Amino acid sequence: NAGVTQTPKFRVLKTGQSMTLLCAQDMNHEYMYWYRQDPGMGLRLIHYSVGEGTTAKGEVPDGYNVSRLKKQNFLLGLESAAPSQTSVYFCASSSYSPLHFGNGTRLTVT
Amino acid sequence: KQEVTQIPAALSVPEGENLVLNCSFTDSAIYNLQWFRQDPGKGLTSLLLIQSSQREQTSGRLNASLDKSSGRSTLYIAASQPGDSATYLCAVVQGTDKLIFGTGTRLQVFP
Repeated sequence: NAGVTQTPKFRVLKTGQSMTLLCAQDMNHEYMYWYRQDPGMGLRLIHYSVGEGTTAKGEVPDGYNVSRLKKQNFLLGLESAAPSQTSVYFCASSSYSPLHFGNGTRLTVT
Repeated sequence: KQEVTQIPAALSVPEGENLVLNCSFTDSAIYNLQWFRQDPGKGLTSLLLIQSSQREQTSGRLNASLDKSSGRSTLYIAASQPGDSATYLCAVVQGTDKLIFGTGTRLQVFP
């Protein structure tokens, strides 16, 4: 089983550029999440989804948008990247607990 | 607002030692508490999940306890090994299965 797959693994953007991070899960999970991890701040929830076609804001949603058009995919978009969005992004999925995480996307915005 | 704190932030021990990692949370209204392991450059792997009605969970050399009333959980690792070296994170679940994470304890076990 692939579990939770994130693409890309690494990306460097210039300020103002846009990009989309893709998360795919093959476990038929209802819930999907996007977190960012920054040194000294732990993981913070950006957006989450409780089912296909639904999305909701987490703790730090500003500057990000998400879509869940298919149950197995959860996309995270940055419309105009800023240096403050330099981070490691993790996707996770679950049908209730526990969560299953992808290996992360390391994003640098210069 | 729920806050989750982990102490110590880093720990270095010789192989074979028994050790305890601490996690505290400010709001006792939780559904469950989870402990995760994170290896460098990797995602998080779930180790143990304790439901709010439970006091402890065990898996191999790992034992996690939960005291909701005092807002504390501990992760006990018996007979530590170099392969246990990683960052350990605790997280509490509130609301719609949203996890609130602590900042982690970075553990190094040296031979």
